[in-house]
Amino acid sequence: QVHLVQSGAEVKMPGSSVKVSCKASGGTFSSYSISWVRQAPGQGLEWMGGIIPSLGTSNSVRKFQGRVTLTADESTGTAYMDLRSLRSEDTAVYYCATDPIFDYWGQGTLVTVSS
Amino acid sequence: QSVLTQPPSVSAAPRQKVTISCSGSSSNIGDNYVSWYQQLPGTAPKLLIYDNNKRPSGIPDRFSGSKSGTSATLGITGLQTGDEADYYCGTWDSSLSVYVFGTGTKVTVL
Repeated sequence: QVHLVQSGAEVKMPGSSVKVSCKASGGTFSSYSISWVRQAPGQGLEWMGGIIPSLGTSNSVRKFQGRVTLTADESTGTAYMDLRSLRSEDTAVYYCATDPIFDYWGQGTLVTVSS
Repeated sequence: QSVLTQPPSVSAAPRQKVTISCSGSSSNIGDNYVSWYQQLPGTAPKLLIYDNNKRPSGIPDRFSGSKSGTSATLGITGLQTGDEADYYCGTWDSSLSVYVFGTGTKVTVL
């Protein structure tokens, strides 16, 4: 049983950056990959990208390339999603989930971008 | 804009059955396994079905999944008030190299 715990809510100014963490417990961190999914207020789910911690390789949706960095620290069992140049449209709840079937999810982190 | 299309809403009385469709293309549903997720209000999504028709441990057999060609279907029998939620299908898109979710369907128990 894997348990994912994410960092707390953030309020950011437009143009700034946010880094959301996702700490895993249970299971073996190096045996699975982590995806990041976001959900804007009242909207559906949007996959942003994923990382394989054991390999350090990641990929992301083209619309986020250049703005998002996905990393993972195997020593602490923690994955990170860093999103830069924030704009109001990035206001959303950000989730981490285990790949490839998203069987375990974090509780979500609300990121609000507002001046 | 999602490449997987679902009906915005479905409804039925308690103890009845509902089905939710998920329409895609040859590069996503036609080429990969489909999963289904339930999202209760204010909570994270939860995996209901994976590999088209498999249920994770703890998911009741009232929930079922199927796939045919470029479409998939989630069925819920014995509808309960606790089933009121948003439901999303999801799969990998081989052409776009991204994971895609459906547009989402709100289930209402009348």
